[in-house]
Amino acid sequence: LAKTTQPISMDSYEGQEVNITCSHNNIATNDYITWYQQFPSQGPRFIIQGYKTKVTNEVASLFIPADRKSSTLSLPRVSLSDTAVYYCLVGDPRDDKIIFGKGTRLHILP
Amino acid sequence: DSGVTQTPKHLITATGQRVTLRCSPRSGDLSVYWYQQSLDQGLQFLIQYYNGEERAKGNILERFSAQQFPDLHSELNLSSLELGDSALYFCASSVARTLRSTDTQYFGPGTRLTVL
Repeated sequence: LAKTTQPISMDSYEGQEVNITCSHNNIATNDYITWYQQFPSQGPRFIIQGYKTKVTNEVASLFIPADRKSSTLSLPRVSLSDTAVYYCLVGDPRDDKIIFGKGTRLHILP
Repeated sequence: DSGVTQTPKHLITATGQRVTLRCSPRSGDLSVYWYQQSLDQGLQFLIQYYNGEERAKGNILERFSAQQFPDLHSELNLSSLELGDSALYFCASSVARTLRSTDTQYFGPGTRLTVL
């Protein structure tokens, strides 16, 4: 299972776009990139998943460069309610393991 | 609301005691996963059950055990509790049989266990 590296914490302001980058230098050909969001005192929630280029849904966008050694979760126009921990996971659909790590603690300021 | 329910929400007990945490998965999900989250360790996978059978094991202590019943609800039993067992315990469910990060898991609200 490819190891990921994320910033421990980030601060931003309401209305800003926030980009959280995850490094996964050893990503394998079959690995997908998945992001979860965890609000305080709640369980994690799936946000988005991708393999290459760009994926967008109603919550976020995921940008994956051609070499796939990193990925960026983009949250448009954040609000105070986006304060949460964001986890980047990298895994092979054939590999029966899951590792959440410690994630990135995002703090949105008014 | 993920559709996964966990009871109780909070549990306070003493060292040496035994507790049972309960989880009901989303309707239609056959897999139940248990996780432990403590302040310094992040989210750690403990064990997975699929349709009543143990499917995968993670960093689960021998003092801990789990089972999944015919109605698919699951219980996590923690015995001989120690101070270090104080943590949030999450249950998640999925339609998938696997433990892959590519299969979406739906998490419950958690049970906060405090061991005094």
